[in-house]
Amino acid sequence: EIVMTQSPATLSVSPGERATLSCRASQNVRSTLAWYQQKPGQAPRLLIYGASTRATGVPARFSGSGSGTEFTLTISSLQSEDSAVYSCQQYNNWPPTFGQGTKVEIK
Amino acid sequence: EVQLLESGGGLVQPGGSLRLSCVGSGFSFSSYAMGWVRQAPGKALEWVSLISNSGITPYYADSVKGRFIISRDNSKNTLYLQMNRLGDEDTALYHCARDRRLGEVSNAFDVWGQGTMVTVSS
Repeated sequence: EIVMTQSPATLSVSPGERATLSCRASQNVRSTLAWYQQKPGQAPRLLIYGASTRATGVPARFSGSGSGTEFTLTISSLQSEDSAVYSCQQYNNWPPTFGQGTKVEIK
Repeated sequence: EVQLLESGGGLVQPGGSLRLSCVGSGFSFSSYAMGWVRQAPGKALEWVSLISNSGITPYYADSVKGRFIISRDNSKNTLYLQMNRLGDEDTALYHCARDRRLGEVSNAFDVWGQGTMVTVSS
């Protein structure tokens, strides 16, 4: 089973600043990597799939990059509504696995 | 509006059974593979099971294989998860989710329900 490791566990960023979240896979997962946003009491929301493709309706300030074992989610200008937990998921190998999540807080 | 609504969670004793349901609306339910993803309190999301859009091919995580059965009724736009021999480790919020690939399996999920809570305790 592929282990997904996210860092940092918590990220505190001021509004308007850039947030950079990392996700590392224990094996090569090519570009089959998704990012999800989860707010308290809400269902997860798909942000990015294929490592860098934004899902429908996702604001352009969210971008994904990377391939193989190293991936990054960048929020270019943090808004107050971006406070949430962000999880990465690989779906290249069986079973699909998720990272532990990075909590983004507004400073 | 595309929606998924789960039901059927609750408190069950160890060794017991429970059946979860998920009703989809606002999209062509029979065109998408559907899955279950769970999240134990304070833990990461965990992929549990998925079924092809036709209902012919099921997939299971090793942790539930032989105990859980996924099925669907496309005439009712409903996904099911029959959970048997439940243990403490199955306590979690269970989300129903839609595979983002039309007619195929990718295991990336673009629509999620809010979940139904399953608590296994004596």
